[in-house]
Amino acid sequence: DADVTQTPRNRITKTGKRIMLECSQTKGHDRMYWYRQDPGLGLRLIYYSFDVKDINKGEISDGYSVSRQAQAKFSLSLESAIPNQTALYFCATSPGGLSYNEQFFGPGTRLTVL
Amino acid sequence: DQQVKQNSPSLSVQEGRISILNCDYTNSMFDYFLWYKKYPAEGPTFLISISSIKDKNEDGRFTVFLNKSAKHLSLHIVPSQPGDSAVYFCAASGDNNNDMRFGAGTRLTVKP
Repeated sequence: DADVTQTPRNRITKTGKRIMLECSQTKGHDRMYWYRQDPGLGLRLIYYSFDVKDINKGEISDGYSVSRQAQAKFSLSLESAIPNQTALYFCATSPGGLSYNEQFFGPGTRLTVL
Repeated sequence: DQQVKQNSPSLSVQEGRISILNCDYTNSMFDYFLWYKKYPAEGPTFLISISSIKDKNEDGRFTVFLNKSAKHLSLHIVPSQPGDSAVYFCAASGDNNNDMRFGAGTRLTVKP
């Protein structure tokens, strides 16, 4: 079984719709992250959480919100989707404590906003 | 502004030869650097890292070199294998993992 799972894997929606992307992990890590990948731009951090009560904005948080329901679950919401939010979205985890920990990524969710 | 740059979108090498992937950064506060590999329809996976107190780190066929004065790092793969064909992302971080910045990626193709 995968350690970091994302649902759905693919989603097509229309402008103005509310969308939730979900991430679950079985690694027992405290830290969780949401990124988006766009061609030519690499991965950019949207939000991150160091524990259930600690949520922080990343580089590009406008238009997004998150919820850390439990240590193992971190959801990303688009309140009113727009076409330029079409991208590949990745959830990642890392253990807490040390500063320089590698991140473990889920398989990604491909979102298309029409 | 992109603080981590991978200026070569693609690289093609012959099996058995060396692959050299390059990465430049602009933020002098970065002190930890990572390389990730990504196959299609999968998330990135960690490959190798280096801290700013070192100039070289080696793991099997993979070696990362860091030149702090030039703000440049490179990943060497020797010998290259067809299974190494993937997109490689360079990433850099300051004193917390929360500010990790990624490059745009380089697609490596290793031809048999």
